[in-house]
Amino acid sequence: EVQLVESGEGLVQPGSSMKLSCVASGFTFSNYGMNWIRQAPKKGLEWIALIYYDSSSKYYADSVKGRFTISRDNSKNTLYLEMNSLRSEDTAMYYCAKSAMDYWGQGVMVTVSS
Amino acid sequence: DVVMTQTPPSLSVAIGQSVSISCKSSQSLVASDKNTYLNWLLQSPGRSPKRLIYQVSKLDSGVPDRFSGSGSEKDFTLKISRVEAEDLGVYYCLQGTHLPLTFGSGTKLEIK
Repeated sequence: EVQLVESGEGLVQPGSSMKLSCVASGFTFSNYGMNWIRQAPKKGLEWIALIYYDSSSKYYADSVKGRFTISRDNSKNTLYLEMNSLRSEDTAMYYCAKSAMDYWGQGVMVTVSS
Repeated sequence: DVVMTQTPPSLSVAIGQSVSISCKSSQSLVASDKNTYLNWLLQSPGRSPKRLIYQVSKLDSGVPDRFSGSGSEKDFTLKISRVEAEDLGVYYCLQGTHLPLTFGSGTKLEIK
């Protein structure tokens, strides 16, 4: 059974940093690209980052480019999202999702507020 | 960026009725490999999104055949025949052909 389990949720102040993790199981993690998607409270879905299976390419939404970094450790079956210079508008539920969005994690809440 | 225009924003239907949701893209979603990467997802209340349909019309495993997808190029439709109570939630289209990946704004399905 495919499982994606995010962690790292919390409340942080504007301008600070935070790192999310997503541990994968039930499939060969190193064979698939992975995504991060977020959903602001009461809003729709926004794709924010994609990493290829071998980390050879990474892509970002303009809203997070230069502030967020997607990475992975295939030896640990883990996907990461490092978030810097956080803003109030980054407040959202953050989901990891496998390649073609066929599996999603349960999401973690990130709140940016003073 | 590809804009995905999804309509209607909400629907209220009785059990057993059929409904259709439209999704129109600002650019063709036909990829260089000739595939069309248009997906439909359902976010049930309090849950993570779940993919129902990929590449326009292919049903994910376990998805009832009451769900069907159709369309081509820039115009796509999700149809739900014989709506059941478990179908309530917000439906999103998602294009996976062009970066950045983009979602429709969602259609909230309510049961009368």
